Formats: sequence, structure tokens, C-alpha cells
Amino acid sequence: AQTVTQSQPEMSVQEAETVTLSCTYDTSESDYYLFWYKQPPSRQMILVIRQEAYKQQNATENRFSVNFQKAAKSFSLKISDSQLGDAAMYFCAYRSVRYGNKLVFGAGTILRVKS
Amino acid sequence: EAQVTQNPRYLITVTGKKLTVTCSQNMNHEYMSWYRQDPGLGLRQIYYSMNVEVTDKGDVPEGYKVSRKEKRNFPLILESPSPNQTSLYFCASSPLALANTGELFFGEGSRLTVL
Repeated sequence: AQTVTQSQPEMSVQEAETVTLSCTYDTSESDYYLFWYKQPPSRQMILVIRQEAYKQQNATENRFSVNFQKAAKSFSLKISDSQLGDAAMYFCAYRSVRYGNKLVFGAGTILRVKS
Repeated sequence: EAQVTQNPRYLITVTGKKLTVTCSQNMNHEYMSWYRQDPGLGLRQIYYSMNVEVTDKGDVPEGYKVSRKEKRNFPLILESPSPNQTSLYFCASSPLALANTGELFFGEGSRLTVL
């Protein structure tokens, strides 16, 4: 069974600085998706960024980028120029392309942004 | 507007009193799923459905029932709620086609408290 591990329960960053959230996963499959979801205090689940495993190029979305290391099964999220609105819980998640019957989530990382 | 709608958003109930959390999506998605979110555990899948009349257990199905009589609706039923079902619940949907992005679209969450 696939597992996703987020080893940082909580992180802090100063406004305008850069922070990296860690995620590792375990799978025997070669084709899958990886995601980072943001959950602000409103509890809504918001997709931040997505990576297909077959793509070597790291995904980027504005201030958000990932470092995808397929061999190491690592998928970290880098937030540049952090803003107060980035404060939230962040979840790393995995989804099999072949089976696709669920997202497997990590336990989450709370990100606090200091002004 | 494309969305997943859950009701109720908040509910306090007592042990043993049957309740239903409704979920409806307007995107014609084949796949629908229920997750529960608990501190330190991330989101865990309760049940999922790959299409009408096709449902299957996820990782934590005990104490829950679902049905999929129509493509757009996927209600979660707690026949005899217990305090350990106090949680934040999310309904989610996505297309099933292999060409899809893998992304799940989430409802806004339902906070359930069982006394």
C-alpha cells in the first residue's frame, strides 16, 4: 500500500522569505500523480500544485514550486516570497494513475507566516 | 459554477441518532469519495464510488454506509453515530478518464460532533 509521510508537523517563515515543506512517499508503481493541497482556516481544500511522475521537469505555479526526486521518492514544496495568506495546513498527496481509487494523504504541515 | 456541495456544514448530534451527510456535484464526474480528517492523521478515505451503483470500502469504512443511485449524488450515512466519528468530513469527485489531471475536487467540509 502506498504511504505519504510529512515529517514536519509545523513550520514557520518570515514574510517575504522562502520556506520548503518536505514530503516523502512509498510506492511500487511507476505512474502516479503527486499533489500539494492547502487548507486555510476556512477548511477548504485548495490545490496548490500537481506533478505527474512521468515528467522530469519540476512543476511551478507562480511562487510555488516543487522538487520532485522520483528515485528518492521525495516531493518537497518551496514557497518563495511568503505572504501572510500562505499561512495554512499543507497536505502532500499521492494518486495512482492505474487504480485511481483514492488520494493518499500525509498528516499535514502547519505553516505559520510571521510579519 | 463547477462545485461539490455538502450539507450540513456543521452538525452536533447524540450517540445513536442516525444522520445523513449529503454530497452533490455538478461536473458529471464518475468518481466520488468520502474522507474524514483527524488531527495528526491527515485525510483518510471512508468509501468511494467509481460510477452509479458501484461503491467500495476505503481505509476506514466501519460505522458508515453510502449509496450511489444517481451520478451527481453520494450521501454518507451514519446509522448509529458514536463519539469516535466526531470529525471533519469531505466529499470529493473527479473524472475517471485516464487523460484527466488526477486532481480531486473537494466540497467545503462538514464538521460533525457526536456527543
